[in-house]
Amino acid sequence: DGGITQSPKYLFRKEGQNVTLSCEQNLNHDAMYWYRQDPGQGLRLIYYSQIVNDFQKGDIAEGYSVSREKKESFPLTVTSAQKNPTAFYLCASSTGISPLHFGNGTRLTVT
Amino acid sequence: KQEVTQIPAALSVPEGENLVLNCSFTDSAIYNLQWFRQDPGKGLTSLLLIQSSQREQTSGRLNASLDKSSGRSTLYIAASQPGDSATYLCAAAPSGGSYIPTFGRGTSLIVHP
Repeated sequence: DGGITQSPKYLFRKEGQNVTLSCEQNLNHDAMYWYRQDPGQGLRLIYYSQIVNDFQKGDIAEGYSVSREKKESFPLTVTSAQKNPTAFYLCASSTGISPLHFGNGTRLTVT
Repeated sequence: KQEVTQIPAALSVPEGENLVLNCSFTDSAIYNLQWFRQDPGKGLTSLLLIQSSQREQTSGRLNASLDKSSGRSTLYIAASQPGDSATYLCAAAPSGGSYIPTFGRGTSLIVHP
């Protein structure tokens, strides 16, 4: 079955450590996205990539970094510069104009 | 900048009721509008997508309408069931450019038996 896989489902880190969240898709989609969701909030766009080896900052990119070396993969690194990293992170993909398809998310807790 | 608002923020109804969830957007230059369902601790599942040239889309007990001129979309749920309990989000994608949608904060729905 085609879909988007995010791993791990839960992630715990100490403050000051960088952490990388994985996102893999087998839908052959060109575009991939990272969103952050906080309780009671809508989704906020962190980064997006519309083709391999290219990505753009979203609304809240500070403290995050991404890479897009392969079409299938779009990992997100939460750096120690991110002031409030504890959140639910969602990865999505699309053909660019088609509906967004989402993974099941990674819940990151930083203490 | 596009702003998307969903009203109400929360809704609790008895089983069997017909429901209307509202989504409004400030910029009518949209490419499409999409409705999603999110269960607790899960990702978003696409329910319906309405292209800007369309007025409505239907899937089973769900019907979504779009009125670009007034900046509104509604999601109609017929004969609600406890299994419909979830958060429903709408997202408006702009025409031209990146097509990256702006999300509302969602309506949290509880359908009790």
